Amino acid sequence: GAVVSQHPSWVICKSGTSVKIECRSLDFQATTMFWYRQFPKQSLMLMATSNEGSKATYEQGVEKDKFLINHASLTLSTLTVTSAHPEDSSFYICSARYRGGETQYFGPGTRLLVL
Amino acid sequence: AQTVTQSQPEMSVQEAETVTLSCTYDTSESDYYLFWYKQPPSRQMILVIRQEAYKQQNATENRFSVNFQKAAKSFSLKISDSQLGDAAMYFCAYKRRGGADGLTFGKGTHLIIQP
Repeated sequence: GAVVSQHPSWVICKSGTSVKIECRSLDFQATTMFWYRQFPKQSLMLMATSNEGSKATYEQGVEKDKFLINHASLTLSTLTVTSAHPEDSSFYICSARYRGGETQYFGPGTRLLVL
Repeated sequence: AQTVTQSQPEMSVQEAETVTLSCTYDTSESDYYLFWYKQPPSRQMILVIRQEAYKQQNATENRFSVNFQKAAKSFSLKISDSQLGDAAMYFCAYKRRGGADGLTFGKGTHLIIQP
């Protein structure tokens, strides 16, 4: 149980375009989903927290207008990287937790390469 | 703000031996959760073990156990009978109880298993 999927697993895009990444909880309802970013050989850094039906909460230093997060249902959250630039290239990982739960279950991640 | 410190960038152990990974944290909260996550080369984050701060008993999961010292704010992971499949990055993480917070991660320890 507690399976989280992400799509796509790999994406290459041109600078200036937008990219959408989906995060789905497959066998539970995720009241809260989280988006992390991981640079090579580094740890995970929390970007934002999204609760179903409400606006996302962004961590300090994360541009809200660049990283648009939508948590439209209890099983789906999306991260849209707008006007992507090469410095946005990274590994993006989502996680989800169910109501009242303290453990986060992670998706397999999405590698983004902006050319 | 809470911080998590992993002072061992890399550890090496012989197959079938025991290894201990260190983690210390800093928080002003009294009730929280601590986690160890494993990230193999696939980069999928896998929960290894979880400890609730209000529980004095150390958590165990098969070959994995923790030494939780609340007063010292220390949370080490012991892996017994190390196996080749244990080779991965190991991240220590913190979350305060009850909030819709994301996880605060340490920088990770790269565990190498020598056959």
